[in-house]
Amino acid sequence: DIQMTQSPSSLSASVGDRVTITCQASQDISNYLNWYQQKPGKAPKLLIYDASNLETGVPSRFSGSGSGTDFTFTISSLQPEDIATYYCQQYDNLPLYTFGQGTKLEIK
Amino acid sequence: EVQLVESGGGLVQPGGSLRLSCAASGFTFSSYSMNWVRQAPGKGLEWVSYISSSSSTIYYADSVKGRFTISRDNAKNSLYLQMNSLRDEDTAVYYCALGRVVYYFDYWGQGTLVTVSS
Repeated sequence: DIQMTQSPSSLSASVGDRVTITCQASQDISNYLNWYQQKPGKAPKLLIYDASNLETGVPSRFSGSGSGTDFTFTISSLQPEDIATYYCQQYDNLPLYTFGQGTKLEIK
Repeated sequence: EVQLVESGGGLVQPGGSLRLSCAASGFTFSSYSMNWVRQAPGKGLEWVSYISSSSSTIYYADSVKGRFTISRDNAKNSLYLQMNSLRDEDTAVYYCALGRVVYYFDYWGQGTLVTVSS
């Protein structure tokens, strides 16, 4: 099974800061890496697909990069509404989909 | 507008059964694969099961294999999850999730809570 290691598990930053979250796969997953935002009590929302593509309607301050085993998710300028937990997710052989452990983002 | 509405959650004793439903609208349900994803209280996301558009291909996570059965009725635009032999660790919010491209989930329902407890 492919393991996804997401870090950090929690992060405190100020409004306007650049925020970076990383996700590492235990083996090469090409660009089959996606990022979700989940606010408390809500369903996850797709932000980035195929490692670097911005989902329609998602603000351009969100971005993703990487391929193979190492991936990065960035918020260029943190906004108060970005407070949420962020998850990476990979697609490969069974189990079909694996999520990272999540990063809880808080405002400092 | 794509809508996914789950129902059927509730409190059940260990060893019991429950059937979840997901009513889909706003897209051609019969054209897409569907999934169930769950989230235990305060924990992360866990993929549970996948069913192809025609029901010809089905996959399960090891944690539910042999106990859960996914199915769909394309005439009723509905997805189901039959959960048997439920355990405490199955307690979670269960989401149905649509991936119009199989690699990711671009639409999610609001979730339904399943609590397994005596």
